[in-house]
Amino acid sequence: GAGVSQSPSNKVTEKGKDVELRCDPISGHTALYWYRQSLGQGLEFLIYFQGNSAPDKSGLPSDRFSAERTGGSVSTLTIQRTQQEDSAVYLCASSLTSGRAYNEQFFGPGTRLTVL
Amino acid sequence: AQRVTQPEKLLSVFKGAPVELKCNYSYSGSPELFWYVQYSRQRLQLLLRHISRESIKGFTADLNKGETSFHLKKPFAQEEDSAMYYCALSLYNFNKFYFGSGTKLNVKP
Repeated sequence: GAGVSQSPSNKVTEKGKDVELRCDPISGHTALYWYRQSLGQGLEFLIYFQGNSAPDKSGLPSDRFSAERTGGSVSTLTIQRTQQEDSAVYLCASSLTSGRAYNEQFFGPGTRLTVL
Repeated sequence: AQRVTQPEKLLSVFKGAPVELKCNYSYSGSPELFWYVQYSRQRLQLLLRHISRESIKGFTADLNKGETSFHLKKPFAQEEDSAMYYCALSLYNFNKFYFGSGTKLNVKP
């Protein structure tokens, strides 16, 4: 059916508040990625989930960031005590296979987060 | 550390002119290289990958391990090629992708 979906599409919050960003990957895709896209900075890898394996959290910028993936499908990225530097577009991507990196990542439309 | 460098933030060419978007990487092993493209108001999507040795929309990219480059080329640019282009690297048997900062291609009529 549909591609990767993300919600909300836009989020404006006040500094210090917590936010939750949601990603619905393509059905059957075992790999799920979160990236942060800042102006002039390209895509910054945040976290990677593969099936039931422990996620690769090496890209999370601080302990204020966390992510979960429930039932191997939907993922939520949580940012606690948001700071202005967290303002960015957060992209989610999923792919069908892992291992050898032939897999194509399918990206969602992103969530634009603005921290006032 | 692995790194992908796209030295040009903006590249402007006229329609019909050749275009080359530069990408250099730093990695001592055997990487997998990709080009992703984001057209205006569309999602980021895969354009091509070096392992497939394919030509998509007239674009090609050759992996040069000696120069650690994966430049994207097209002999005759079209206005519809105007978009943001990202070079990406993935390590064999890993699934972490490293993206460059992107190059905005503007093809003028």
